[in-house]
Amino acid sequence: TQLLEQSPQFLSIQEGENLTVYCNSSSVFSSLQWYRQEPGEGPVLLVTVVTGGEVKKLKRLTFQFGDARKDSSLHITAAQPGDTGLYLCAGELEYGNKLVFGAGTILRVKS
Amino acid sequence: DAGVIQSPRHEVTEMGQEVTLRCKPISGHNSLFWYRQTMMRGLELLIYFNNNVPIDDSGMPEDRFSAKMPNASFSTLKIQPSEPRDSAVYFCASTAAGGFGPQHFGDGTRLSIL
Repeated sequence: TQLLEQSPQFLSIQEGENLTVYCNSSSVFSSLQWYRQEPGEGPVLLVTVVTGGEVKKLKRLTFQFGDARKDSSLHITAAQPGDTGLYLCAGELEYGNKLVFGAGTILRVKS
Repeated sequence: DAGVIQSPRHEVTEMGQEVTLRCKPISGHNSLFWYRQTMMRGLELLIYFNNNVPIDDSGMPEDRFSAKMPNASFSTLKIQPSEPRDSAVYFCASTAAGGFGPQHFGDGTRLSIL
């Protein structure tokens, strides 16, 4: 069982559609990071959220950290083919001195 | 600016052989992490160093795996002897501050053990 459950595992949508990716856990995190990974490359950090209830926006991407700091979501508005990739969430456990990754969401945006 | 540099990018070798993966972190970063990524298990932390000292190696799967960081600009991950189930993409990452701040990943080494 993953400590950080990420859903959906796979998402295939048309250009222009909206989507949301979720990361959920029963553990509390001191921070949560979102990464995007393209084939043949390492993950690249998109954003870090640290405060319960925090919302951060990065162009068409909106990231939210749950009030209890146990969950997070990534919402993409009007998805474009360039958004295609593997999206990973990673949480720094508040107690345990560990960084745990979700299994990832493979996003494919078709033009 | 140079990012995290890993070598080789690809490695294909036969079961039983020794494999050494190399990593050069971003200059000035004092924490270094080794990860393994597979379809089945996703991205797993194997070991991390802080100021060249191994802090947590609980993710290292077996004694066949070992990692060293002889200085601030170089680290190795060694598998001896290698097995087919070790096939994966191995990533190195570094961070500017101690702990688990934003990770700067290299482009990985794709390892295939035949």
